[in-house]
Amino acid sequence: SQQGEEDPQALSIQEGENATMNCSYKTSINNLQWYRQNSGRGLVHLILIRSNEREKHSGRLRVTLDTSKKSSSLLITASRAADTASYFCAPGPPGGTSYGKLTFGQGTILTVHP
Amino acid sequence: NAGVTQTPKFQVLKTGQSMTLQCAQDMNHEYMSWYRQDPGMGLRLIHYSVGAGITDQGEVPNGYNVSRSTTEDFPLRLLSAAPSQTSVYFCASSYLPQSYGYTFGSGTRLTVV
Repeated sequence: SQQGEEDPQALSIQEGENATMNCSYKTSINNLQWYRQNSGRGLVHLILIRSNEREKHSGRLRVTLDTSKKSSSLLITASRAADTASYFCAPGPPGGTSYGKLTFGQGTILTVHP
Repeated sequence: NAGVTQTPKFQVLKTGQSMTLQCAQDMNHEYMSWYRQDPGMGLRLIHYSVGAGITDQGEVPNGYNVSRSTTEDFPLRLLSAAPSQTSVYFCASSYLPQSYGYTFGSGTRLTVV
């Protein structure tokens, strides 16, 4: 299975602190994607890192990828109450029609206290 | 507005009834997928499509049928609803998943009694 596993399952921090979430996967990938889900809403795509990249930034988000360890991390800096959400990683399948077979783990629930 | 539109937003079915969840996108995306989300289970892939006329099974396809006759639409059919199919269903689409990720709809909350 291409499914990713997020760790920790839940994370509670104060506004202004940094939040780090980790993702592990088992098979080879083309890319790894991170998504956010606010309560009761659909997922929102945050960032995609390709297998030949080691680090990528987008605003307050920093993603790293270590293909030798089959792991990724998502860092949210200077967190805000609005960052409260569930975060999911999705390892992108290696190629061909399998590009469409994107699977998700159970996610990390992030709570940012004002 | 451009995006992924799911209808209905809420539905209650009786065991054994059939229904179709609708999904439409106006972004000319080739890739479309259906997921279900249950408490504590994350999202599980039901079926996906890589273009009109091409569909394939995901992780939990049993009890569901799909077809893709046009690029825009990807309906999900429940043939004979069971209480185990009570869930929130999400449709998603992508132009090129290996480069741009997926755009998700807002979901359909289905209860089977």
